[in-house]
Amino acid sequence: DAKTTQPNSMESNEEEPVHLPCNHSTISGTDYIHWYRQLPSQGPEYVIHGLTSNVNNRMASLAIAEDRKSSTLILHRATLRDAAVYYCIRGSQGNLIFGKGTKLSVKP
Amino acid sequence: EAGVVQSPRYKIIEKKQPVAFWCNPISGHNTLYWYRQNLGQGPELLIRYENEEAVDDSQLPKDRFSAERLKGVDSTLKIQPAELGDSAVYLCASSASGAYNEQFFGPGTRLTVL
Repeated sequence: DAKTTQPNSMESNEEEPVHLPCNHSTISGTDYIHWYRQLPSQGPEYVIHGLTSNVNNRMASLAIAEDRKSSTLILHRATLRDAAVYYCIRGSQGNLIFGKGTKLSVKP
Repeated sequence: EAGVVQSPRYKIIEKKQPVAFWCNPISGHNTLYWYRQNLGQGPELLIRYENEEAVDDSQLPKDRFSAERLKGVDSTLKIQPAELGDSAVYLCASSASGAYNEQFFGPGTRLTVL
């Protein structure tokens, strides 16, 4: 199955770091890992993506395990605006295959 | 810069009626995607266009769904006839050419079939 495995939901406190895990044990050597998030009543938005090395951008960091069977999205300081469904996606043949994602709640 | 535009935002129809959704991608984006998102699920790809060519329509239910992107810019997705199970949010996304470029999503059209 090309879909990844994520916890259904997670909670975080505002201004604390959040680590969102993802398992992709059957990933092939050329599949990228993408993260998108979806706020209520909006389309998904890109967060970050990577292949083998850890990646950083203004929104988040992506840590990819050495064996590439898992990865973790890191939000360094959660804000209330980060409350969303976060999708860990395995890219396959140029397409993104979404799973159910992790619903992140952020408490003030 | 304008994002991906979709219309209508909401549509309510009775079963067996036809329905069409329109999408205008970000200017210069050659790749266009249509997704369907059922409640509580992630989006599922229906069709992907590179310019005016449908390069992946393997998940499009071709008995009732059709899509076109005649001039390689805007696109229309049609359902005829609609069934109760077609109730969902239909999302359009676009990206620059090349596999795995960042996809930009529109707000979606929420379809309710009664």
